[in-house]
Amino acid sequence: AQKITQTQPGMFVQEKEAVTLDCTYDTSDPSYGLFWYKQPSSGEMIFLIYQGSYDQQNATEGRYSLNFQKARKSANLVISASQLGDSAMYFCAMSYNQGGKLIFGQGTELSVKP
Amino acid sequence: DTAVSQTPKYLVTQMGNDKSIKCEQNLGHDTMYWYKQDSKKFLKIMFSYNNKELIINETVPNRFSPKSPDKAHLNLHINSLELGDSAVYFCASSQLRDRNYEQYFGPGTRLTVT
Repeated sequence: AQKITQTQPGMFVQEKEAVTLDCTYDTSDPSYGLFWYKQPSSGEMIFLIYQGSYDQQNATEGRYSLNFQKARKSANLVISASQLGDSAMYFCAMSYNQGGKLIFGQGTELSVKP
Repeated sequence: DTAVSQTPKYLVTQMGNDKSIKCEQNLGHDTMYWYKQDSKKFLKIMFSYNNKELIINETVPNRFSPKSPDKAHLNLHINSLELGDSAVYFCASSQLRDRNYEQYFGPGTRLTVT
């Protein structure tokens, strides 16, 4: 069965430093997509980055990069140069060939310290 | 222009009542979803419609009934509300033909059942 696991319920990082949020997944489907969403305290879900299972290169979007290790089934999010506004809940999610539904991990709450 | 909108944003009601949440997307997407986020922030798919046809129906009580009058709208009707229905309900949309199934989320509806 498909599953997403985020093992870090909470993380702290100093402003301007980089931080890695862990995500592992499990699927037997060869075609899938991996996503990261940010949910600030205001509640909206903000798409950050996507990685396809057949993509050869790791995805990057500005300060966000996805460290995709297919053999290890991990899709960690790296945020460089953390900012106070990065404090939020971060969700890893996976889609596969079942109507496009997303399966979410438990989330990691990131706190950026000044 | 708001891409995915939901109304109402907040909904407070008593047990036993019937309520509806409306969702509209102006992205031209062919697929819409309802997700439920519980008090522990866990997000789970409830339903999905593709071109007005129900394609995903997770294990959800029969009291929940989605309706899609057209591709741009997906409403959620809940009968006989229970305390356990208190949650944030997110509508999302995507273009199923797109390889990555990236989903755009609405702002959420916080439902409180007293």
